[in-house]
Amino acid sequence: DVKVTQSSRYLVKRTGEKVFLECVQDMDHENMFWYRQDPGLGLRLIYFSYDVKMKEKGDIPEGYSVSREKKERFSLILESASTNQTSMYLCASSPNGQGVTDTQYFGPGTRLTVL
Amino acid sequence: AQKVTQAQTEISVVEKEDVTLDCVYETRDTTYYLFWYKQPPSGELVFLIRRNSFDEQNEISGRYSWNFQKSTSSFNFTITASQVVDSAVYFCALRPASGGSYIPTFGRGTSLIVHP
Repeated sequence: DVKVTQSSRYLVKRTGEKVFLECVQDMDHENMFWYRQDPGLGLRLIYFSYDVKMKEKGDIPEGYSVSREKKERFSLILESASTNQTSMYLCASSPNGQGVTDTQYFGPGTRLTVL
Repeated sequence: AQKVTQAQTEISVVEKEDVTLDCVYETRDTTYYLFWYKQPPSGELVFLIRRNSFDEQNEISGRYSWNFQKSTSSFNFTITASQVVDSAVYFCALRPASGGSYIPTFGRGTSLIVHP
């Protein structure tokens, strides 16, 4: 079974703090993604990575950065957290190629509250 | 540009009722994949089904069935004899099958509430 894990289920931080959200997958997937989910807005892509040290901006990258130093780990960084970054953050991974195995697999999510 | 529309924000049914979740999409790609995911209250999105654009055969899996109609750009999901455990947010997604893009476009989700 594909396993995508996220470092925390719930996180509370203060405005201005630097926040790290970690995601690890154990299926040797090339692609990894960070989304945020807000009521009524669905999933919005923040950043994605298709290889180690490679990253691409998604739809809403402002206020975020990412790091992918190892294939299995994709970190989302909030340099200076703000209250409008309070949200549910979802990590996903998928293999390369266009076969039947290229489905995204999601982690359990991290609910971040910025006070 | 791609777009996925799930017009139903929330659906409320009583257990054992049948319910259909609508998904309408827009794409310029000739080949693409369509997905449905379930997000229970625990938060993790669970993959339900993947459908290729060139395969319009409907699919049934237990109480779940999917109706793909390319002519109307729809990929609807029906739950037969709904159960309380079906309560979740359901997402429809679309992804190109060529061009090297691995980025799916998600709909905004439909919240299904099944009352006992």
